Amino acid sequence: SQELEQSPQSLIVQEGKNLTINCTSSKTLYGLYWYKQKYGEGLIFLMMLQKGGEEKSHEKITAKLDEKKQQSSLHITASQPSHAGIYLCGADVTGNQFYFGTGTSLTVIP
Amino acid sequence: NAGVTQTPKFRILKIGQSMTLQCAQDMNHNYMYWYRQDPGMGLKLIYYSVGAGITDKGEVPNGYNVSRSTTEDFPLRLELAAPSQTSVYFCASSYIGLPSSPLHFGNGTRLTVT
Repeated sequence: SQELEQSPQSLIVQEGKNLTINCTSSKTLYGLYWYKQKYGEGLIFLMMLQKGGEEKSHEKITAKLDEKKQQSSLHITASQPSHAGIYLCGADVTGNQFYFGTGTSLTVIP
Repeated sequence: NAGVTQTPKFRILKIGQSMTLQCAQDMNHNYMYWYRQDPGMGLKLIYYSVGAGITDKGEVPNGYNVSRSTTEDFPLRLELAAPSQTSVYFCASSYIGLPSSPLHFGNGTRLTVT
């Protein structure tokens, strides 16, 4: 079983459209991270959320951790081709072991 | 500042061969990690280290070995390569342990075992 479920698995959007990626756990999330990966490259750290209800933004990307700390969403506003890649969430869901989600592949069509 | 450097980028092995994946970081991070990434499976932790001389198993350690003789280097050894070890391997480091600080990743090693 997967500790962190991401949805959708893949997403194809037209440039300029908004989109949301979700990361869900059946347990409390501690230290939720969002990463972005381009093909053939490593993961780039985007944001970290720790407190329930916390929301952070960087340029056109906003991430939020819900109040119960069991789901996080990543929202991209006015998507651009540079946003294309694989987005992964990572979190400690047991209090002592860190897991990654299965990833969401994003394609942005110009 | 190079960050985390992995070598080689690509490698093809025959079943039963051995090899070492190299990882070096120049950020003076105590914590280092090896992950493997398989399609649709996310990243799985193989081994990690909290400092020179200290290593511990992660979620999927079978078939691998590690050593940490210096703060900078954390090589991953495959002794008898098997097709199930075909994957992309990522090395990462962090200033303090998860989940308190983000991981810095290398660009990965794509390994094929045939």
